[in-house]
Amino acid sequence: GAVVSQHPSRVICKSGTSVKIECRSLDFQATTMFWYRQFPKKSLMLMATSNEGSKATYEQGVEKDKFLINHASLTLSTLTVTSAHPEDSSFYICSARDFQAVSYNEQFFGPGTRLTVL
Amino acid sequence: SQQGEEDPQALSIQEGENATMNCSYKTSINNLQWYRQNSGRGLVHLILIRSNEREKHSGRLRVTLDTSKKSSSLLITASRAADTASYFCATVETNFGNEKLTFGTGTRLTIIP
Repeated sequence: GAVVSQHPSRVICKSGTSVKIECRSLDFQATTMFWYRQFPKKSLMLMATSNEGSKATYEQGVEKDKFLINHASLTLSTLTVTSAHPEDSSFYICSARDFQAVSYNEQFFGPGTRLTVL
Repeated sequence: SQQGEEDPQALSIQEGENATMNCSYKTSINNLQWYRQNSGRGLVHLILIRSNEREKHSGRLRVTLDTSKKSSSLLITASRAADTASYFCATVETNFGNEKLTFGTGTRLTIIP
């Protein structure tokens, strides 16, 4: 099956620093990747949709300058949390849509990245 | 945007029993999907049901969809301890080209050995 990886799996950083999270599709090409945020015991909230070679589409209420998304290739999207603050601490999950799977909208999810901002 | 509500929020049952989780949504959909998430992990796709389907089976999973009531149910039969996880429904709206998944609030299922 399709595999999506995320790196790092856990990161702890000081307030004010920037953190980059990578999302890779390992065995398929993904024209579209999605970034979600999940608070403890809560549902996933879509942050942005990332399309290869173009600017990401952000959901209402998500700061573009705060959460920088780059989808430079068909297998890699990155999310950079800039000037992180404790309230940015969360579980960040990416997903990828298989370019060739046009029959339905299955997304393949990464294992998530736990961000803790001190 | 629509948001699914899941019921119950938490469910504890004995191993071997059946577990039923329900999901309601608000807008027209193209399909509805169910996912499982083990604690602190990513999501695993379980099953997808299209808007023109009423019931679907996959192993011990049975999913129903009632578009008139805008609701879906996930039944896990003969539960096992390994089924302990959070279960989320997610919908894809009918807008052409809209690939966004909108997740429900989730049901935390605990199987007691």
